[in-house]
Amino acid sequence: DGGITQSPKYLFRKEGQNVTLSCEQNLNHDAMYWYRQDPGQGLRLIYYSQIVNDFQKGDIAEGYSVSREKKESFPLTVTSAQKNPTAFYLCASSITGSYGYTFGSGTRLTVV
Amino acid sequence: GIQVEQSPPDLILQEGANSTLRCNFSDSVNNLQWFHQNPWGQLINLFYIPSGTKQNGRLSATTVATERYSLLYISSSQTTDSGVYFCAVDSYGQNFVFGPGTRLSVLP
Repeated sequence: DGGITQSPKYLFRKEGQNVTLSCEQNLNHDAMYWYRQDPGQGLRLIYYSQIVNDFQKGDIAEGYSVSREKKESFPLTVTSAQKNPTAFYLCASSITGSYGYTFGSGTRLTVV
Repeated sequence: GIQVEQSPPDLILQEGANSTLRCNFSDSVNNLQWFHQNPWGQLINLFYIPSGTKQNGRLSATTVATERYSLLYISSSQTTDSGVYFCAVDSYGQNFVFGPGTRLSVLP
């Protein structure tokens, strides 16, 4: 079945560490997105990519980095510069032109 | 950028009741989606509905693009309908902007 796989489901990070969240899709979608969700809040866009080897900052990109070396993969690195990284992270993909989004099941990141 | 509002912010229903959730947006939109986020965090696409009316079982949605709003109807609600409902809009070449959500609790 086609879909988006995010891993891991739960991730614990020590302060000062970088961590990478994985997002893989087999839907042949061109565009991929990373969102952050804080408790009781909506979704905020971190980064997005509409084509391989190209990506743009969203509304809250500071402290995050991404790469898009393959169409299927869009990993997100939460760097030590992100001061408040504890949140739920969601990856999504779509056919370019925004014919609807498909979401992964999310990664819950906690700083310990 | 485009602003998205949803109402009510919270809704508590008894099982079997009907409800209407509203999404208002501040500009013309190219696309609109309704999502349900279950208690485990998974976002499920309910409707892709930039205009018109669609129905899927007990759920239906109507978007009146000229008046910049969309409605999601839930009939004969069940406890499994609990969660947060998000409206997201795409304003011609921009990325989807999500509303703040409506948190629905259906009591047995």
